[in-house]
Amino acid sequence: DAGITQSPRHKVTETGTPVTLRCHQTENHRYMYWYRQDPGHGLRLIHYSYGVKDTDKGEVSDGYSVSRSKTEDFLLTLESATSSQTSVYFCAIRQDTEAFFGQGTRLTVV
Amino acid sequence: AQRVTQPEKLLSVFKGAPVELKCNYSYSGSPELFWYVQYSRQRLQLLLRHISRESIKGFTADLNKGETSFHLKKPFAQEEDSAMYYCALANNAGNMLTFGGGTRLMVKP
Repeated sequence: DAGITQSPRHKVTETGTPVTLRCHQTENHRYMYWYRQDPGHGLRLIHYSYGVKDTDKGEVSDGYSVSRSKTEDFLLTLESATSSQTSVYFCAIRQDTEAFFGQGTRLTVV
Repeated sequence: AQRVTQPEKLLSVFKGAPVELKCNYSYSGSPELFWYVQYSRQRLQLLLRHISRESIKGFTADLNKGETSFHLKKPFAQEEDSAMYYCALANNAGNMLTFGGGTRLMVKP
């Protein structure tokens, strides 16, 4: 599993509330990614990081922000959750050219 | 911009039948392509990549630059092949991995 853990694994939150998802890795990988998985859309890149304090936007970054203050943690924040952000969120790291994924966080916004 | 298209959302076959999961891509550079698989209740994991030209679990995929395709094939499907399959493309810099919409393969007994 390349030492990747996501927390929480499940969360239900109300519209308009802030939510932070955490991705933690233990193997000092430089690149970390956040994807969302939705039926019919596959996995879409939200944001990624290429080092501490170095992040960039992906395909569907609106409504999301990220932070990486240390190598091992990559945080995804929904500043004000909306129902369209109900999804399964996956964190990934890159090792050589292969991506390794966390187990996912199922987020429901009601 | 890079784009990956998997035209079939669902593919249902009988055990022992051949399987082909289609993947087409668009990318201006020299692509690096992958197939990832997600079995029920498991993490997404790499199945194979085009540069290694290997066969994993009986699956193969050939990069066809003329048709911009990277279809996944298996001559005889097994029930344990039932899963969600994603085609993915990495850009030349290696920092972006773009996925297709996924194809759910169901192998019936």
